[in-house]
Amino acid sequence: DQQVKQNSPSLSVQEGRISILNCDYTNSMFDYFLWYKKYPAEGPTFLISISSIKDKNEDGRFTVFLNKSAKHLSLHIVPSQPGDSAVYFCAASSTSGTYKYIFGTGTRLKVLA
Amino acid sequence: GAGVSQSPSNKVTEKGKDVELRCDPISGHTALYWYRQSLGQGLEFLIYFQGNSAPDKSGLPSDRFSAERTGGSVSTLTIQRTQQEDSAVYLCASSLGYGSYEQYFGPGTRLTVT
Repeated sequence: DQQVKQNSPSLSVQEGRISILNCDYTNSMFDYFLWYKKYPAEGPTFLISISSIKDKNEDGRFTVFLNKSAKHLSLHIVPSQPGDSAVYFCAASSTSGTYKYIFGTGTRLKVLA
Repeated sequence: GAGVSQSPSNKVTEKGKDVELRCDPISGHTALYWYRQSLGQGLEFLIYFQGNSAPDKSGLPSDRFSAERTGGSVSTLTIQRTQQEDSAVYLCASSLGYGSYEQYFGPGTRLTVT
């Protein structure tokens, strides 16, 4: 039972354009969401997070949007840069639980120069 | 400061052998997580330690898997009688603990069972 789904395994975007990565979840108890970025042979690095009390959080070129009614979140990268090419994972947690994170399967983003 | 470190970085073992994977979390981080990533898959939660509380072992796939965290710091993940399906990258992460949600990951240990 995949509680966190990233239905697009890969995405290619031209440099300078917007990248939109999507994530869906099924567990209504999830109230905290994170995005991680992973380069080959490295561990994931934290990118941005959002609590369910918000519907948007922005940090520089990265913005995460949360639609609770649709159980959907998205990560927008504007403008996309070649160095953004990596695998992006979304993760969800219930803060009333044990802070266990459930990760999606990842989306491989390729930004074309 | 030092990040999360894991050793070994690569491990090749024969089916049926036991292996131990080590994780050194960031100093002062009370929460420690183990995940594994199989080829083409996402991060699969294995186990979570928080301070002196009983660990959340709900993600361990079988009783061949166990983990310890000594002195609230270093952790070892042990896989007994390894099987080929255990081949994966094993990732460790730490965080400050309750109230802090950002996890810092180590580089992982790539385990290959032949």
